[in-house]
Amino acid sequence: VQLLESGGGLVQRGGSLRLSCAAAGFSFNNFAMSWVRQAPGKGLEWVSTINSGGRTYYADSVKGRFTISRDTSKNTLYLQMNSLRAGDTAVYYCAKGSDAGVVYYHNMDVWGKGTTVSVSS
Amino acid sequence: SSELTQDPAVSVALGQTVRITCQGDSLRRSYASWYQQKPGQAPVLVIFGRNNRPSGIPERFSGSSSGNTASLTVTGAQAEDEADYYCNSRDTGAEGVIFGGGTKLTVL
Repeated sequence: VQLLESGGGLVQRGGSLRLSCAAAGFSFNNFAMSWVRQAPGKGLEWVSTINSGGRTYYADSVKGRFTISRDTSKNTLYLQMNSLRAGDTAVYYCAKGSDAGVVYYHNMDVWGKGTTVSVSS
Repeated sequence: SSELTQDPAVSVALGQTVRITCQGDSLRRSYASWYQQKPGQAPVLVIFGRNNRPSGIPERFSGSSSGNTASLTVTGAQAEDEADYYCNSRDTGAEGVIFGGGTKLTVL
């Protein structure tokens, strides 16, 4: 089981980025998938989850600016980030849920190595 | 939304037992999961559900829960257990996930 994030980089405040997470080694469409971020020197912060049925959930801090989606034909998870702020600067991790995530979707049993997003002001 | 509270730092002597706690109202209706994160690395799930260890996690890691408090116990701590530990749960007050602030475990 493997997750590989890409798409991070340096972007100006107000700009956009799309993160990707390529999944391998499991039935991608059967599990919830999440994005979790970690600002420099800080703790983990949940960003968004999409369950196996396509239902999406967002942290208040990103609601209306970020969109999570998945392409089951490509086994890839995405995070479209718009109207980026300095506070969005972080390492963004892609994480696999331990099940479909219909009711409980906080168990994240596989994590990628992360991709770094830096927002300049 | 709800919050999960963890002690910022805990220390344990090599080979001794340490308990790391996580408090929050959401834990009354949702089990906590626990993650270990070493410097420069991605988090690793160590405990989920009532007290389940993913494959490859040593038996010295165990979890428990009572009321609004979840605990991660390391029985016979090893030097390689020195890391940051985070709890999380479903935010039962809203639709989402919450993480605790993390506990830095030092093995002396």
